[in-house]
Formats: sequence, C-alpha cells, structure tokens
Amino acid sequence: GAVVSQHPSRVICKSGTSVKIECRSLDFQATTMFWYRQFPKQSLMLMATSNEGSKATYEQGVEKDKFLINHASLTLSTLTVTSAHPEDSSFYICSALPGLAGSYNEQFFGPGTRLTVL
Amino acid sequence: QKEVEQDPGPLSVPEGAIVSLNCTYSNSAFQYFMWYRQYSRKGPELLMYTYSSGNKEDGRFTAQVDKSSKYISLFIRDSQPSDSATYLCAMSGDYGQNFVFGPGTRLSVLP
Repeated sequence: GAVVSQHPSRVICKSGTSVKIECRSLDFQATTMFWYRQFPKQSLMLMATSNEGSKATYEQGVEKDKFLINHASLTLSTLTVTSAHPEDSSFYICSALPGLAGSYNEQFFGPGTRLTVL
Repeated sequence: QKEVEQDPGPLSVPEGAIVSLNCTYSNSAFQYFMWYRQYSRKGPELLMYTYSSGNKEDGRFTAQVDKSSKYISLFIRDSQPSDSATYLCAMSGDYGQNFVFGPGTRLSVLP
C-alpha cells in the first residue's frame, strides 16, 4: 500500500515552454501533498505544500507564478513549470500524506520526474 | 551553520562490512528522526523512524538517536551491494513541523 506515482518520469523540453508534472496517490487519499526539487548530489528541498481544495503554500524563494500547483482532488496534484529555463532542470519529487490529517513524518514519496530544459 | 549536516561521501565499503552513517543537527526542537534510502533517479523510501532518543532495530538496520549530542546514526550490518544508494536523514518537530532532510550520504557496497 501507500503508493505514489508521478508522470512523466522524464521530460525534455525547449526553453520557454511549460511542463506539467502529475503526482497521484494510487491506493489512498491525500489531503496534503508536497513538492520537492533535488539538484544532483544535493538533498531534497521543499518547494511547496499542496492542500486539496485550497491554494498551495510556497517556501521562501520559490516563485509561485513560475511553479503552479493544483491539488484538484484527494488523489492528484499537479506541478506546472511555466516558461521553463535551463536553470529549472532538476529532479522533481512529490510526496503525499495518507488520511485527512497526517504528520509530515508519514509522507510517501513518488519516483520523481527528471526535467531537462534545453 | 546548516540545520542538518551529513557527510556526503561517497563511502565505499566491501560486502559484509558494518556501515555507520551519521547526521548532526542544531535544532533542539526536533523529536522525530528518520532515515530514507534513495536509489539513483528514484524517490526516497523510508527505512527507519525513531521518536526522541534511543535505539531502534529492524533486521540489518539499527538507528540510534542521541539528543544530548544532537547526533543520529544508522548502522547497516552485513552490508550488501543492493544497499548501495544515497541515505538521507530527516527530522522534524513534535507534530511533524519543520521537516528537513539532510544532504545525504552516497554509499557504495562493493562485491
């Protein structure tokens, strides 16, 4: 149980285009999902917290107009990187908390999406 | 000073060795301590989960927390090549707040 999927697993796009990444909890409902970014040989950095039915909460330094997050249902959150640039190339990982209210400690991670912007 | 520090490695050991991975932290409010394993180009998976100080054992893995020293460890006994991965410590407050990852240690277990 507690499986989180991401789609696509890898995407290559041209500079200036927008890319949407989906995060799904497959066998549980998740009121809260998180989006992380991981650069090579570095740890995961929390970008934003996504709550179903409300606006996402972004961490300091993360541009909310560039990284659009939509948590439209209890099993799906999307991250859209708008007008992507090469510096946005990174590994994007989502996680989800099972249940209506869960501790950050119980989050389950997706397999990640590698974004390469040319 | 970073909130959580971890030697990035890489750490190379022969198969069968005992591996010791460590993290230090500065925030005394941390109460939950976790270890994640992340294979290349995959998301992290939770290995061990400890509350407050003490030891916890699960198979070949033992987690230790010393809150007085703000130091946590993960020991892997009889290490296997399949243990080769990046190991991330993570910690948070009493209600999961201020969740933060360490930078991770890359481990290679050589056959």
